Amino acid sequence: GDSVTQTEGQVTVSESKSLIINCTYSATSIGYPNLFWYVRYPGEGLQLLLKVITAGQKGSSRGFEATYNKEATSFHLQKASVQESDSAVYYCAANSGTYQRFGTGTKLQVVP
Amino acid sequence: NSKVIQTPRYLVKGQGQKAKMRCIPEKGHPVVFWYQQNKNNEFKFLINFQNQEVLQQIDMTEKRFSAECPSNSPCSLEIQSSEAGDSALYLCASSLSEGQNTLYFGAGTRLSVL
Repeated sequence: GDSVTQTEGQVTVSESKSLIINCTYSATSIGYPNLFWYVRYPGEGLQLLLKVITAGQKGSSRGFEATYNKEATSFHLQKASVQESDSAVYYCAANSGTYQRFGTGTKLQVVP
Repeated sequence: NSKVIQTPRYLVKGQGQKAKMRCIPEKGHPVVFWYQQNKNNEFKFLINFQNQEVLQQIDMTEKRFSAECPSNSPCSLEIQSSEAGDSALYLCASSLSEGQNTLYFGAGTRLSVL
């Protein structure tokens, strides 16, 4: 069935270093789902970071980027240089019919 | 910032008690979703509505859970007889359409069933 997988539960990165958070999806009920990254900052609600609806396209926001790779069924989140303010939990999601399926999230901790 | 309002923020119930939570979707959003996020951070879709009509719901929702989105009133999710396994964060989200569009989330209702 449809699913979204994030393999890293927690990632610790030093400030100004690069980041990659992995996300793969399985979409059997819908050929090319829309793909999303949501973020939950400490003390705040879940909010959209970026989305891509067309296979092969790249989305970007706040210095983060993610490319919709339909061959690898991946949508990895990357940032070239992280800041302490990026510390948050990041969730990958894909629409599956009438609702979105979510990964279990990756907690990013950026240390000085 | 999202304008989806969920109340209460915290809810504590004993096993067998009813638990009811409410959600006011963002203005102009016809679609409302309820998700359960458990202690393992897994999201479980429960039910969604377009205006007042149910679009889709899972089997669990059909038994002990009930939900509605009446016209001109907050949406609600109610657990008829709470169980310990229902302890979770319940998230309401609204959107312009079904699954394809961005979801705007409320802060959630954290239910603890003792």
